Amino acid sequence: AQKVTQAQTEISVVEKEDVTLDCVYETRDTTYYLFWYKQPPSGELVFLIRRNSFDEQNEISGRYSWNFQKSTSSFNFTITASQVVDSAVYFCALRVVLQGAQKLVFGQGTRLTINP
Amino acid sequence: NAGVMQNPRHLVRRRGQEARLRCSPMKGHSHVYWYRQLPEEGLKFMVYLQKENIIDESGMPKERFSAEFPKEGPSILRIQQVVRGDSAAYFCAASSRGPAADYNEQFFGPGTRLTVL
Repeated sequence: AQKVTQAQTEISVVEKEDVTLDCVYETRDTTYYLFWYKQPPSGELVFLIRRNSFDEQNEISGRYSWNFQKSTSSFNFTITASQVVDSAVYFCALRVVLQGAQKLVFGQGTRLTINP
Repeated sequence: NAGVMQNPRHLVRRRGQEARLRCSPMKGHSHVYWYRQLPEEGLKFMVYLQKENIIDESGMPKERFSAEFPKEGPSILRIQQVVRGDSAAYFCAASSRGPAADYNEQFFGPGTRLTVL
């Protein structure tokens, strides 16, 4: 099965705390891509990162960092020194290619609330 | 959003009416994908189209839903005889290359929020 699980439905922290959003995936492909998207209250989807299965290096972009571990099929997302503007729903997704077609399989999302 | 346009942004329909959602990808992006996001849920794949062809409709409900991507003009997601359970956000995404390519990014539009009264 090709599946993405975000076990944390909701997380609430106080501003400036660090927070990690978990993502576990299942795939039978040897080459695959993983993504994180942010959906702020306005509703649009904002692309955050794309990760190739061959590249296991962790990535940092400002206050955002991602930890990709093939051994545990996880692609976790950490926000350091959280801010109120980080409040949003965050989705992890897996690109699936099957029989000449492709699609993104999304997790259920984690609603992150940053309290002032 | 890299230029994928969706309209209308908000659509209100009464039960039994038809809903037509439009998606205009940017030039050169001939692969279109529709996703549905029910309230408080993640996005679910519905259909993948290329110009004039439906490639994968495995996520489409069996009845009342159809999609097209004509040679000219936008892709249309059509919902006939809408019911309250169709209320959702419908997102369109577009890519410039197909699944055979090593990688192709899907650019998402802003979504259409359908409310069925």
